[in-house]
Order: sequence, then structure tokens, then C-alpha cells
Amino acid sequence: GESVGLHLPTLSVQEGDNSIINCAYSNSASDYFIWYKQESGKGPQFIIDIRSNMDKRQGQRVTVLLNKTVKHLSLQIAATQPGDSAVYFCAVLVSGTYKYIFGTGTRLKVLA
Amino acid sequence: KAGVTQTPRYLIKTRGQQVTLSCSPISGHRSVSWYQQTPGQGLQFLFEYFSETQRNKGNFPGRFSGRQFSNSRSEMNVSTLELGDSALYLCASTVGQGAYEQYFGPGTRLTVT
Repeated sequence: GESVGLHLPTLSVQEGDNSIINCAYSNSASDYFIWYKQESGKGPQFIIDIRSNMDKRQGQRVTVLLNKTVKHLSLQIAATQPGDSAVYFCAVLVSGTYKYIFGTGTRLKVLA
Repeated sequence: KAGVTQTPRYLIKTRGQQVTLSCSPISGHRSVSWYQQTPGQGLQFLFEYFSETQRNKGNFPGRFSGRQFSNSRSEMNVSTLELGDSALYLCASTVGQGAYEQYFGPGTRLTVT
């Protein structure tokens, strides 16, 4: 079955630096991906999505990169701010369903 | 547009009891999914409903069940509660037909004692 993994459980960055959070998935047929941000005591918040027919998608201060060859997904946050401190999850849609498999999450800590 | 709402936000139950959680999706969204979130297992998919029918199911025991009403609101039920059922239960909604953007509610924190 589908599995999703993240490379680092915790990432610490200086305020103003760029952050990169990585995710790997197992099923090459996966065709839709979402990045979520979850703050303490809240539900996951939709940040940005990407379909498999794209390699890159940009939002406000965030960019998602998709490398289908190595089945790798990354979230880049530009000019990281204290409000970006949270746990970030990638979610992979299981092909042919409306079921998502989530990675274990990376906790982003922003240092002042 | 209002987001996904879940009630109650917090719940304390005793082992052996049953519990029902409620979710109202974003207006116009017809698909509702339920997830269990625990520190050890992360976010795990329970089931997904669309037009009152369960379309997808995760690997949870039969004690976990759900339903969806004609107005797309959904409930999930857990019977014979166990200590390990303590978790944050999250509901998410999508439009459901060819649109996959999924939005979450704030969750219901269930504590089983």
C-alpha cells in the first residue's frame, strides 16, 4: 500500500531564512499532493497543493516542488517568520480514491 | 464561507462507553472524511462518505463507524471505548467530485479514562 515518510522530525531555522521540508512517497501512481500546517490545538490548515502534471507550484511565500522520478515532494517557505512555527504534513491522495495518506510531520521551529 | 465545524470540541468518556462525534462540512462540499490523530500513529484515515455512502474505509476495527446525512453533515461513532481510542478526531471535507482540495475542522479531543 501507499506509504509516506518525512526526512526530518524537527527543523530549526533562523527567522528570515528559507525553510525546506521534505516528504517521500511510495506509489508512483499518486497524482495529487497537499501540504498542511498544524498549529498546537488546531486542525491541519491547507497550505498548497500540486498535481502530478506539475513540477512546481508557488503560493504566497511558499513553493512546492514535485519530483516524480524519485517520488519526492518538498515545501519551501521563504523568509521564515515566527508565525510559521508549526508541524507540517504532506498528504498523498491514494490513486482512484478520496483517501489521503499522511506523513509523520516535521516540526518547524523558528529561532529569533 | 464558514469552515468545517466539529462538535463537541472536547470529550471525556470512560472505558466501555460509546461516543458520537459530529461534523458539518463546508457549504457545497459533499465528501466528508474522518481521521484519528495520535502522537504515536500520526494522522490515520478512518473513512470517507459521499452522498450518504461510505466510499473509502481505513484499517480500523468495526467499533468505529460513521454515517452521512442528506445535508452532508456526518457523524462518527465509537462503541466500547478503549484507552487507546484517546485521540484527536479530525473531520475534513472536499467538494467530492473530481475536486480533491481537502479542508479540516478543528477536531474533537477525546479522552478515555
